[in-house]
Amino acid sequence: NAGVMQNPRHLVRRRGQEARLRCSPVKGHSHVYWYRQLPEEGLKFMVYLQKENIIDESGMPKERFSAEFPKEGPSILRIQQVVRGDSAAYFCASSPQRGGPYEQYFGPGTRLTVT
Amino acid sequence: TQLLEQSPQFLSIQEGENLTVYCNSSSVFSSLQWYRQEPGEGPVLLVTVVTGGEVKKLKRLTFQFGDARKDSSLHITAAQPGDTGLYLCAGRSRTPLVFGKGTRLSVIA
Repeated sequence: NAGVMQNPRHLVRRRGQEARLRCSPVKGHSHVYWYRQLPEEGLKFMVYLQKENIIDESGMPKERFSAEFPKEGPSILRIQQVVRGDSAAYFCASSPQRGGPYEQYFGPGTRLTVT
Repeated sequence: TQLLEQSPQFLSIQEGENLTVYCNSSSVFSSLQWYRQEPGEGPVLLVTVVTGGEVKKLKRLTFQFGDARKDSSLHITAAQPGDTGLYLCAGRSRTPLVFGKGTRLSVIA
């Protein structure tokens, strides 16, 4: 997985709680992407960030979900007031460049279970 | 909305057999990638194809990008149990990567 780190690997939250998912990209990569995967489904794009900027959040629900990629530290995907439908695997990917046939390197994912 | 259709959805074969999986779209992509994902893990990039008609080989795996850059195929020769996994294609144009739902391959020893 080319060095993308995600934590926690597994997260259990009760309905109404907050979930924080962290992603450290490959060293030197400045582009981060978050995806959600449901069982037997492909990956659905959520949000694309560069350092301190959200570039494209067209795949992210308008309510309860937010993402950031600060100048220092990991990227964070935050889900407020979780509901059972938020249960899924959330993957982070990073790439070194935006243009051209860039390649994204994925982390191992965080499996969120909402009880 | 760009869609990538992968077929077959599930495939179970005996060790040593050959197989081909497909990735089709009505949209043109500037590049297309194939990933393999194992249970509990993230997708691992196998190959990127960029040019229409391009063929790339990775050991027993052969990837082809259609001439019109709308479709792709992955051919595995003499499949082995280690090839078992979910094979995902992902296309890129101006939008972020669009993923197909994948082909789940099981190779039985």
